[in-house]
Amino acid sequence: SQKIEQNSEALNIQEGKTATLTCNYTNYSPAYLQWYRQDPGRGPVFLLLIRENEKEKRKERLKVTFDTTLKQSLFHITASQPADSATYLCAFVTGGGNKLTFGTGTQLKVEL
Amino acid sequence: DTGVSQDPRHKITKRGQNVTFRCDPISEHNRLYWYRQTLGQGPEFLTYFQNEAQLEKSRLLSDRFSAERPKGSFSTLEIQRTEQGDSAMYLCASSLEGGPGNTEAFFGQGTRLTVV
Repeated sequence: SQKIEQNSEALNIQEGKTATLTCNYTNYSPAYLQWYRQDPGRGPVFLLLIRENEKEKRKERLKVTFDTTLKQSLFHITASQPADSATYLCAFVTGGGNKLTFGTGTQLKVEL
Repeated sequence: DTGVSQDPRHKITKRGQNVTFRCDPISEHNRLYWYRQTLGQGPEFLTYFQNEAQLEKSRLLSDRFSAERPKGSFSTLEIQRTEQGDSAMYLCASSLEGGPGNTEAFFGQGTRLTVV
């Protein structure tokens, strides 16, 4: 079955550094991959979408890459801030209706 | 507020009771989704509607679960005879109909269900 894997261990980094989160997938070839941010007790918030023919997508301090050969997406936050601390989820669209299959998410903690 | 709203935010119920949750999507969105999220996991798809038609249900959605979207606007999710394993965050999301390239989903704050 389709599976998305994200590092379940929390990532702790210092303020100002670049955070890099990994999303690996198996048994599927998504045409689109999305990244969401989720704060405790809240619903996910959409951040970026990247298409299979796009190697890289940027939005302000965020950058996403999509390597269909490695079946991997990397999510980068440059010049990280404590306010970036949250859980980051990757997801791809499956089947009709554009429902999303999510990874488990990776918790990011940015320390002063 | 023009976002997705869910009610209630929290629900504590005794095992065996029935519960119903409500979701009001963004008004122009014709697709509405229900997901369930347990601690440490990502959201898992339960079901979705296009307008008032329920087009897909996950195998996770046992016969104790039923969802409706009677007029293609708000939706309700009912769980009958709740079990402790139903304890989770129930998330509603809405989106515009379109190709998968524009399926940004807007999520509500969720309803946290605790079955005691």
